[in-house]
Amino acid sequence: NAGVTQTPKFQVLKTGQSMTLQCAQDMNHNSMYWYRQDPGMGLRLIYYSASEGTTDKGEVPNGYNVSRLNKREFSLRLESAAPSQTSVYFCASTEGDGGEKLFFGSGTQLSVL
Amino acid sequence: SQQGEEDPQALSIQEGENATMNCSYKTSINNLQWYRQNSGRGLVHLILIRSNEREKHSGRLRVTLDTSKKSSSLLITASRAADTASYFCATDRTGANNLFFGTGTRLTVIP
Repeated sequence: NAGVTQTPKFQVLKTGQSMTLQCAQDMNHNSMYWYRQDPGMGLRLIYYSASEGTTDKGEVPNGYNVSRLNKREFSLRLESAAPSQTSVYFCASTEGDGGEKLFFGSGTQLSVL
Repeated sequence: SQQGEEDPQALSIQEGENATMNCSYKTSINNLQWYRQNSGRGLVHLILIRSNEREKHSGRLRVTLDTSKKSSSLLITASRAADTASYFCATDRTGANNLFFGTGTRLTVIP
């Protein structure tokens, strides 16, 4: 099993450009999450989806949108990228409705110039 | 902030020594988890301890939880160079359905 797969692994954007980060899991998990990781700040939750068809804001949702396309896929979109969104983005999933063991993807390193 | 706080921020030890990392948090929790992150990789789950548990073991890992002090510790015994990584605690707050991560401890094990 591949687990949690994120694409792309690296991306460079110019300020104002848009892009979508893709995430897919093959473990039949209900809940999926998007985190960003910045130096010295740990992981911060951007958005999560407790089940197919639902999404909720996390700690730092501004400037992002998400789509839970189906049970497997959860995408993160930056409509107008800003330098403050330079970060490493991680997708994660878990079997239940949250709070249990998370399985992480390998991350997307995004730079916004 | 409602994240956990790890202490120390960085730790350097010789191979074979034990490594202890601490985590403090602010709210009541359902469980507390520890994750490892190797450089440039995603996080990997190590161990989960529930609020009604005080100690848990997994191989060379020992985790304790003191809910009265809102703190946890992770002990790695007989460390190896391959244990070099960042370690994060994460709390499942009561009433929430997601995890809150601390800022991590960077462990370096010198061969």
